[in-house]
Amino acid sequence: HLQLQESGPRLVKPSETLSLTCAVSGGSISSSDYYWGWVRQPPGKGLEWVASVYSRGTTFYNPSLKSRVTISLDTSRTQFSLKMGSVTAADTAVYYCVRQGIYGDFGRCDSWGQGTLVTVSS
Amino acid sequence: SSELTQVPAVSVALGQTVRMTCRGDSLRTYYASWYQQKPGQAPVLVIYGENIRPSGIPDRFSGSSSGNTASLTIIGAQAEDEADYYCNSRDSSANVLFGGGTKLTVL
Repeated sequence: HLQLQESGPRLVKPSETLSLTCAVSGGSISSSDYYWGWVRQPPGKGLEWVASVYSRGTTFYNPSLKSRVTISLDTSRTQFSLKMGSVTAADTAVYYCVRQGIYGDFGRCDSWGQGTLVTVSS
Repeated sequence: SSELTQVPAVSVALGQTVRMTCRGDSLRTYYASWYQQKPGQAPVLVIYGENIRPSGIPDRFSGSSSGNTASLTIIGAQAEDEADYYCNSRDSSANVLFGGGTKLTVL
């Protein structure tokens, strides 16, 4: 049974860098059948895709966040990570790590972590 | 445009049928997926592909698609189905899209 678990600082100061890690267990992060990604949800609002990474290293980013975001995969540690720079209060959200499909199913998020609330505040 | 549009809220009487829609140009090419999210919980995938339910999802949930519109139907809505429902898909530029969500109230 696949499990995803987010970890990282819950409070980040404005203009600093948000760093999150997703630990994957119960499945292979090296599988060619899936992408691994991040989705966020500001309090009381809807879901927003942030970024995705493939086992071979291919990455995709939300165009509105691309200049500030980096996603990476560490197959040796079975985890993947998100870094977002120059954060503002607008980046305050619950951040979920997800497993996604490939090709036509790239949008499908079939497994979700429990989510972690990251607050941007001084 | 790369957007998915959902009605903000719908209601259904207990045991009745409700259909929620999701509209967007990308749905002419790619299937929608549907997620159920209850307060304080992570979203759960309930429908994907042509009309596929992941293991554990009741068969009262079904999906369909026509043109630029995808639909999620619940036949015989239960009290536990009250939640926010999100559709999502991808576009031709490999962006992942989410609709704004529909809040379902079971009366």
